[in-house]
Order: sequence, then C-alpha cells, then structure tokens
Amino acid sequence: AQSVTQLDSQVPVFEEAPVELRCNYSSSVSVYLFWYVQYPNQGLQLLLKYLSGSTLVESINGFEAELNKSQTSFHLRKPSVHISDTAEYFCAGILASARQLTFGSGTQLTVLP
Amino acid sequence: DSGVTQTPKHLITATGQRVTLRCSPRSGDLSVYWYQQSLDQGLQFLIQYYNGEERAKGNILERFSAQQFPDLHSELNLSSLELGDSALYFCASSPSEVAGVLAKNIQYFGAGTRLSVL
Repeated sequence: AQSVTQLDSQVPVFEEAPVELRCNYSSSVSVYLFWYVQYPNQGLQLLLKYLSGSTLVESINGFEAELNKSQTSFHLRKPSVHISDTAEYFCAGILASARQLTFGSGTQLTVLP
Repeated sequence: DSGVTQTPKHLITATGQRVTLRCSPRSGDLSVYWYQQSLDQGLQFLIQYYNGEERAKGNILERFSAQQFPDLHSELNLSSLELGDSALYFCASSPSEVAGVLAKNIQYFGAGTRLSVL
C-alpha cells in the first residue's frame, strides 16, 4: 500500500474560489508531514510542514494544512486561490522504517480565470 | 532560491552514453539526496549521502551511482543510458543525517537537471 496518497491528480478551480488538496498517509509513515510545491519548470519548494505541536500549520502565502490523526489525513487548503497558485503540489512524509522522505504522486492545481 | 545548486539545467544525450549530474548543497548542509521525477513513476528517492558516506538507498538502478566529495558537493553518474532514463533529477540537502525528524533538518531542493535520452 502506498505510504502517502494524494487522491486527486488534477484539480481545476476558478480564481478566488476555495480549494482543498487531499493527502492521506498510512501507518508506516511517522507523523512528520510536508507539502511541497513545484511551479512550472522549477524545483520543489517547501510550502509547509508539520513536525509537532498545533495540528494546524500555515504557510506565508495563505495555504494551511491540518493534521487529522484519526483520519490519517493532512489536507492542504486555501480559502481563495490566485492564478499564480497554479502548480503541482506534493504531499510527503517520513517513512518510519527507512526514515526517508516519501512523496505522494502529486496534484496538479490549475487556477482558471 | 533554495541554496541548492544543480548543473547542468538540461542535458541531451544518446542511448548507451554516460552522464554526470552535479549538486552543490546549501552552505552547512551535510546530507545530500538524489531523486528522479518521471511521468510514470512520479518522484522517487534514489540515494542519500551524509558527510561523504552513503546513508540510504532507494530505487536506484545498478547503472547509476553517486558520490559525495570532501567539499560536500555530490555527483550522480548515470551510465548505459536508456530512453526510460529520461526524467528530471533533483538533488536536495539537509543539515543532518535523518530527514525531517528535527525541526531544522528539512530537505531543500535544487531546480533539477532535465535529462533527455534520445
């Protein structure tokens, strides 16, 4: 079973609409979770991370993610998206056994005018 | 800018050839990680080096090898290239050995090298 699962490969949304990108993790993943963003023709950038403490984490550009341990989810949300948010978003977690970063398959967010 | 530098940005070569990808980690980071991103496999961890020594191996083919030098830069060598090796290869670095466990030990990624095997 995949350790980190992103349920949607493509999410189209209109500008200024809210968006949620879904991520679930398996029990083989220790609870250190990350969202990375990859803009077109660029490398991955860390968007936000959960290591400990408050289960709600925020990024500087309006995204937030909430850890839900009972549902083993770490969904990414933004209340109002911009055209510039168009990118691929990767959820990642640390495999407890290997202690390596393992990525989900990615979600392409396309913001439409 | 993540502080991780990868060269070259693009590489076009033929099947059967050998190429070397280079990565300079962020200043002060001792760990270097290599990843392959392809359309069919997604983002796959290949290998990690820490302070010059191999620390972890992922889905790395035997035709591929890597090393980390005393100045901490790393090279990924890909040989006997096949069409299926065409991909984006990313390097990441972090301060210490175990990724993500400590708040400060986050992986930061370079912009990648796009390899096209024709």
